Amino acid sequence: DIQMTQSPSTLSASVGDRVTITCRASQSISSWLAWYQQKPGKAPKLLIYKASTLESGVPSRFSGSGSGTDFTLTISSLQPDDFATYYCQQYNSHPETFGQGTKVEIK
Amino acid sequence: QVQLVQSGAEVKKPGASVKVSCKASGSIFTRSYMHWMRQAPGQGPEWMGKINPSGGSTTYAQRFQGRVTMTRDTSTSTVYMELSSLRSEDTAVYYCARPLEGGSSPFDPWGQGTLVTVSS
Repeated sequence: DIQMTQSPSTLSASVGDRVTITCRASQSISSWLAWYQQKPGKAPKLLIYKASTLESGVPSRFSGSGSGTDFTLTISSLQPDDFATYYCQQYNSHPETFGQGTKVEIK
Repeated sequence: QVQLVQSGAEVKKPGASVKVSCKASGSIFTRSYMHWMRQAPGQGPEWMGKINPSGGSTTYAQRFQGRVTMTRDTSTSTVYMELSSLRSEDTAVYYCARPLEGGSSPFDPWGQGTLVTVSS
């Protein structure tokens, strides 16, 4: 199985900050990577797929980049609604696998 | 718009089985696979398997082989995930989800989740 490793595990930031989360795959996954946002008690919500394609309705302050094994999720200006846990997921090969998550906390 | 509605929370004893349902609405039920994931407390989601609602064929993650069974009822647009021989490590929120598009695809939408607690 492809292992997905996110860093950091926890990130403390303030409203208005630029935030970057990284995700590394244990082998090349081309651009078959998605990012999800999850809030407590809710299902994951798709933000970005194909590494950099913004899902419909997702604010433009979210962006994704990368290919191969290294990927990033950037929030250009953190908003109060963005405090949540973020997961990356590869869908290049079965089984689809997820990172362990990055929790974005209020500083 | 596709909506997935799951059954309610369950509490089971070790060794028992649990069956979780996921009802789809808003699109053609047989159009795409339905996947199941679970998420243990504090961890990322884990893919468990998928079912083709059209023909009923299934693919399971190796670690669940022999313990998980996925079925569907086309008359009610519902898929089911049954996990047997439950142990405490199976305590998690279980989700159904559909692929966003055909081929290689992320998951969107997801059901609201079903908490399964395994405790003696």
